[in-house]
Amino acid sequence: GAVVSQHPSWVICKSGTSVKIECRSLDFQATTMFWYRQFPKQSLMLMATSNEGSKATYEQGVEKDKFLINHASLTLSTLTVTSAHPEDSSFYICSARGGLTGARVNEQFFGPGTRLTVL
Amino acid sequence: DAKTTQPTSMDCAEGRAANLPCNHSTISGNEYVYWYRQIHSQGPQYIIHGLKNNETNEMASLIITEDRKSSTLILPHATLRDTAVYYCIVRVNRAGNQFYFGTGTSLTVIP
Repeated sequence: GAVVSQHPSWVICKSGTSVKIECRSLDFQATTMFWYRQFPKQSLMLMATSNEGSKATYEQGVEKDKFLINHASLTLSTLTVTSAHPEDSSFYICSARGGLTGARVNEQFFGPGTRLTVL
Repeated sequence: DAKTTQPTSMDCAEGRAANLPCNHSTISGNEYVYWYRQIHSQGPQYIIHGLKNNETNEMASLIITEDRKSSTLILPHATLRDTAVYYCIVRVNRAGNQFYFGTGTSLTVIP
């Protein structure tokens, strides 16, 4: 149980185009989803926290107009990188929380990541 | 938010115990310590978490010092598949309960 998927796993796009990444919780309802970005040989950096049906909360320094997050249902969140540029090339990882109770209620389940390359 | 400090890298012989330390000297009394690991180009995988008491599960043991300022993750019998980056995280105890990842420890298990 507690599987999170991401689609696509790898995307290459031209500079200036927009790219949408999907994050799905396959076997549980995710009350909260998180989006992270990871550059090569670096740690994960939290970009935003997303609750179903409400606006995402962005971390300081993350442009909300560039990284659009939609969390329309308890099993799906999307991240759209608008007007992508080569510096946006990175590994984007989502996580979902929910479906567990008690001591594991805050555990996050991570997706496999999406590698974005902007040419 | 409590910050974690971990050694950049460690080696461990296959079959031996791997002990990964983490300092979190500014941790608050109700903040949990979580451990995740990330194998290259994959999403992080949950290992274990704890508050005050030592914890053990099928993957690892977590030893938290009495003052809670540091902890150690123990992989009792490391295998080559345990080669990964291990992250010690102090979960923020406020609305959102976010994880802020530190730099992690790159563990290499040597045959």
